[in-house]
Amino acid sequence: DTGVSQDPRHKITKRGQNVTFRCDPISEHNRLYWYRQTLGQGPEFLTYFQNEAQLEKSRLLSDRFSAERPKGSFSTLEIQRTEQGDSAMYLCASSSYRRDYEKLFFGSGTQLSVL
Amino acid sequence: AQRVTQPEKLLSVFKGAPVELKCNYSYSGSPELFWYVQYSRQRLQLLLRHISRESIKGFTADLNKGETSFHLKKPFAQEEDSAMYYCALSGEGYQKVTFGTGTKLQVIP
Repeated sequence: DTGVSQDPRHKITKRGQNVTFRCDPISEHNRLYWYRQTLGQGPEFLTYFQNEAQLEKSRLLSDRFSAERPKGSFSTLEIQRTEQGDSAMYLCASSSYRRDYEKLFFGSGTQLSVL
Repeated sequence: AQRVTQPEKLLSVFKGAPVELKCNYSYSGSPELFWYVQYSRQRLQLLLRHISRESIKGFTADLNKGETSFHLKKPFAQEEDSAMYYCALSGEGYQKVTFGTGTKLQVIP
């Protein structure tokens, strides 16, 4: 499978714990996005990268959230001191800046449940 | 700021009936508009984009800058069209893609 892969698929954690998610984009894609989706809502933009540079981070995003893409390949999204309101599906997507940059290829997502 | 509004959470139509999924946007410049679709148990995927002026699976969408709308249309709905549809926008200069809240299309046999 050469699509976008996310790990883990599901994560259950207790409030106050830290969690980290990983995303492996399509290999030739230099853009990588993180979105969050709750039931009945569309994907909410969190942040995105072009290669290793983080171009934008949502102003709605708490300082507890941080994302990295150290070598311009895979990315990690960390949530510190999780809260119940963080429970959501976290989606990763990638695209090619040079052609069809807006054609996002999505992963299956990581479903986070904070107890 | 860029914003996408989809006023309908659910749209139910009978098979063979016309479909129109509404999308309005807010953006000060010249945006790129798209429709993404998510079928049951599948990943979100691009359906079509306005710059291509293409018809995909019988769907078309016209960008109306005066009304700031990008409604998705199909003349005759099929059962396999049942899915979640998201309107999305990207600002000038290869900016991020922003999604609407989505409309669930339910085609009744």
